[in-house]
Amino acid sequence: EDQVTQSPEALRLQEGESSSLNCSYTVSGLRGLFWYRQDPGKGPEFLFTLYSAGEEKEKERLKATLTKKESFLHITAPKPEDSATYLCAVTDGTSYGKLTFGQGTILTVHP
Amino acid sequence: GAGVSQSPSNKVTEKGKDVELRCDPISGHTALYWYRQSLGQGLEFLIYFQGNSAPDKSGLPSDRFSAERTGGSVSTLTIQRTQQEDSAVYLCASSIEAGTDTQYFGPGTRLTVL
Repeated sequence: EDQVTQSPEALRLQEGESSSLNCSYTVSGLRGLFWYRQDPGKGPEFLFTLYSAGEEKEKERLKATLTKKESFLHITAPKPEDSATYLCAVTDGTSYGKLTFGQGTILTVHP
Repeated sequence: GAGVSQSPSNKVTEKGKDVELRCDPISGHTALYWYRQSLGQGLEFLIYFQGNSAPDKSGLPSDRFSAERTGGSVSTLTIQRTQQEDSAVYLCASSIEAGTDTQYFGPGTRLTVL
């Protein structure tokens, strides 16, 4: 059974204070790892897809990296508008794209 | 372009009543997924459609839950004889094809069973 563990559960940062969120996974044959952002009362918003170890993707202040056991979401010089819950999910090749999600990291960025 | 839409956005019902939740996927997306998000449980998979067929119903929590998709587009999730433990946000997602394509989520339906 696929498993995803995210840490920390909650992270409080000052504006401009860079940090990283962790997503550890156990999956039989990783086909894709996905990062989403979720604001209160809304559905998850797609950020990145990573397919193989060593892959990196960037978007504005966010950078996602992938190893064989975990993924990191690096946030550089965050702003208050980056405050949200960040979700990590994986899919294996046997489940037709069914996503298995972690519990999420609640990020709060103070001005 | 239009994203995934869901209706209603909120639904309050009494225990024992039936409810229907609707999902309208992104045009041209052949794969459609239903997930449930509840406090303490995170997001959990319910059912997946490829076209109008549902190859994977493994996440449906009981036989009170059913879903259908017609015309390869709109999907309806039906919960019969609702229970308080069914209270959650029900999220729908669609992707171009099933597999590794990105899933785009709708805003969800918040269901409250009194």
